[in-house]
Order: sequence, then structure tokens, then C-alpha cells
Amino acid sequence: DVKVTQSSRYLVKRTGEKVFLECVQDMDHENMFWYRQDPGLGLRLIYFSYDVKMKEKGDIPEGYSVSREKKERFSLILESASTNQTSMYLCASSPPGGGKFYEQYFGPGTRLTVT
Amino acid sequence: GIQVEQSPPDLILQEGANSTLRCNFSDSVNNLQWFHQNPWGQLINLFYIPSGTKQNGRLSATTVATERYSLLYISSSQTTDSGVYFCAARQGGSEKLVFGKGTKLTVNP
Repeated sequence: DVKVTQSSRYLVKRTGEKVFLECVQDMDHENMFWYRQDPGLGLRLIYFSYDVKMKEKGDIPEGYSVSREKKERFSLILESASTNQTSMYLCASSPPGGGKFYEQYFGPGTRLTVT
Repeated sequence: GIQVEQSPPDLILQEGANSTLRCNFSDSVNNLQWFHQNPWGQLINLFYIPSGTKQNGRLSATTVATERYSLLYISSSQTTDSGVYFCAARQGGSEKLVFGKGTKLTVNP
């Protein structure tokens, strides 16, 4: 079974803090994704990575950066957390799109509150 | 890019009832997935179904790729089926899924 884990289920941070959200997958997937989910806005893609050290902006990258130093790990960084970044953050992984069996798998999510 | 629309946005059922959730997509797709978001927020994979029909217990799904829609059937619903159901599609050449807004299902005892 594919397993995607996230470092925290709940996180409370103060405005201006640097925040790291970690995601690890154990299926040797090339692709990894970070989404945020807000009521009424659905899932929105922040960044994704298609290989180690490779990244691409999603729909809402402002205020975020990412790091992928190893294939199994993808980190989302909030350089200076703000209250409008309070949200549910979901990590996912998948094989490459050119393959026959592209299927995305999600981690349990991190509920981040910035006060 | 591709648009994904789900209907209905909300659905309330009594336990034991059957339901059909619909997902329309605006262009041809290489991948179509259905997810269930549980009360704790995790998205659980239900079906990977770019075409055809699949069944898993009380749930089944059908995708008619030529007509650009997919249906999720839930039979004999249970309170544990409550949550939000998402459909997501991917076009060839893209590495990304495009999600619908979801259908919120409430099953009352």
C-alpha cells in the first residue's frame, strides 16, 4: 500500500514565524504535490515537484517555497507565516504522468493555525 | 485548461438509500479519480477510472470518456459514508490533477 505521511496533524504558529511542513512517501514516486484546502475554495495546488531538486509553481505559490532534496521527501516552507495562511495543507504523490497508471495518493493533512 | 464540475453540491440521505454523484469534465482525460474526504480531512482513494466501470463493495463508478462524465454510485448508504466526495481529472501531457468542488454527502441514521 502506498503511504504518504505528514509531519504534524495539527500545528499552531505565530505570525512571522518560519514554518516547515514535511511530507514523506514510500512508493518511490517521481511526483509530489502540496495543496491547501479552504472552505468554499476546494483544493488549490501550491507547488509540485516532478523530480529531486525540480519544482514547478501551482496556482497559488505566493508566500510559499518548497524543497526536494531526496526523492521521498517534499517540504513546504512558509518563510514568514501570516494569518491568511491558516488552512488545511495536503501532500500527495504520484508516478509520472506519462506512465500508464498515474494515480495520486494523499497524506492525512496538516491543519495549520497562524495566530 | 480542463474544467471539472460536480453535482449535486450537497446531498442528504437516510441510511439505506442509494445515491448517484456526477462529475462532468470539459475535455478528454487520461486519468479520472474519485476520492472520499473523511471527517479528519484525509482524502481516501476510491477509484482510479479513466474509462469503464469498477465496483468495490457498495460503491461503483462508471466513466464514459467519449461523453466526458463519470458517475459514482453509493448503494445502501451508511452514516460512515458521510463526507465530501471529490472527482479529479488529468489531461495527457499534464502532471497535475484538476479537482471539482466536491459533493458533500450527509447520511442520517
